[in-house]
Amino acid sequence: EAQVTQNPRYLITVTGKKLTVTCSQNMNHEYMSWYRQDPGLGLRQIYYSMNVEVTDKGDVPEGYKVSRKEKRNFPLILESPSPNQTSLYFCASSLRSLLDEQYFGPGTRLTVT
Amino acid sequence: AQKITQTQPGMFVQEKEAVTLDCTYDTSDPSYGLFWYKQPSSGEMIFLIYQGSYDQQNATEGRYSLNFQKARKSANLVISASQLGDSAMYFCAMIRNTGFQKLVFGTGTRLLVSP
Repeated sequence: EAQVTQNPRYLITVTGKKLTVTCSQNMNHEYMSWYRQDPGLGLRQIYYSMNVEVTDKGDVPEGYKVSRKEKRNFPLILESPSPNQTSLYFCASSLRSLLDEQYFGPGTRLTVT
Repeated sequence: AQKITQTQPGMFVQEKEAVTLDCTYDTSDPSYGLFWYKQPSSGEMIFLIYQGSYDQQNATEGRYSLNFQKARKSANLVISASQLGDSAMYFCAMIRNTGFQKLVFGTGTRLLVSP
């Protein structure tokens, strides 16, 4: 089954403790992206990747890092999480660009205390 | 800067009726794309429909159609014959013309379909 998976689905952590949210897709997609969703703000793009080793900032990249060492994986790294990074995070992928249909992961709900 | 505006925080409609969800956008780029996504209470994001700025005809996908009025910069979603399962959050989004790699979302409209 074609899908985007994210782990963990739920995470509660403390300020400053490094964490990684994994994202993996099995559709051989080149384009992958991370979004955060906050009430009243909709979704905002954090980072995106057009292919292996090619990443770029979205609208809200501060406090986040990404890597794309393999085509299927696009982890989101929070080196030193802070409470303002409490949010619902979505990973998404599409064949080559946003002009192709985006497939979203199920979301990761992160709480930073 | 590109911006998407959804002015309706919530909409109510009765089953089997049609409903229009509003979306206006602001861009100076001649080439862009517009999307609508549905987010049910379970949380996943579901692609509904896409309209390119140069498309001559309004996009349609089953019960979903996009009323694209370029001069007014609006891209309203029309759902015909609403069903209870249409109750969800709906987001309008626009591709930024930076190689079509960045996406900006509106704040969403919550639709409630009543029996």
